[in-house]
Amino acid sequence: KAGVTQTPRYLIKTRGQQVTLSCSPISGHRSVSWYQQTPGQGLQFLFEYFSETQRNKGNFPGRFSGRQFSNSRSEMNVSTLELGDSALYLCASSFWTGGLLAGSTDTQYFGPGTRLTVL
Amino acid sequence: EDQVTQSPEALRLQEGESSSLNCSYTVSGLRGLFWYRQDPGKGPEFLFTLYSAGEEKEKERLKATLTKKESFLHITAPKPEDSATYLCAVQAGNNDMRFGAGTRLTVKP
Repeated sequence: KAGVTQTPRYLIKTRGQQVTLSCSPISGHRSVSWYQQTPGQGLQFLFEYFSETQRNKGNFPGRFSGRQFSNSRSEMNVSTLELGDSALYLCASSFWTGGLLAGSTDTQYFGPGTRLTVL
Repeated sequence: EDQVTQSPEALRLQEGESSSLNCSYTVSGLRGLFWYRQDPGKGPEFLFTLYSAGEEKEKERLKATLTKKESFLHITAPKPEDSATYLCAVQAGNNDMRFGAGTRLTVKP
């Protein structure tokens, strides 16, 4: 089974530009989460989508947005880029069980990430 | 507020020298605790999920255990290829996922 794929793998932008990152989840997974990873802050949760709806959102400004398509593929967009947005952006997919089973949870499987550099 | 604290921040071991990494957490209604391994510039690789206190899981030289307040990742007779950053994450009752800062493990031959 193919893993989570992210495109592009590397990206260089300048301040003020916008960027769109793409994530294809593992086949059959309907939940996609996005994270920002930096050396100083570690892994920080951006948002999660399930069945094309944003289910959870982290504490990031509105410049960060995302969406999910009917085939579960997801995109995230960052507008008006700032130097501090330079980071590894990670996408993770999981098979949402709906929490109906006792002890059930959602193991997240990560993609390789997109390294964004803002100059 | 939900918190995840990993210790130590960095650990240097000689090949074959067993040790443990710690993940302490406070969370409302733990749904699951996860361990990941991350190599530089790559995405985290899933290792284990633990659901309830007393649970243990093993994979090769790694063994993860869980209590009501913390989890340990035991590494037995590590090899240089075990060098990586090990991340712990907890999923709260509201499904929020929170990651620790990680433990950077270096195993010298």
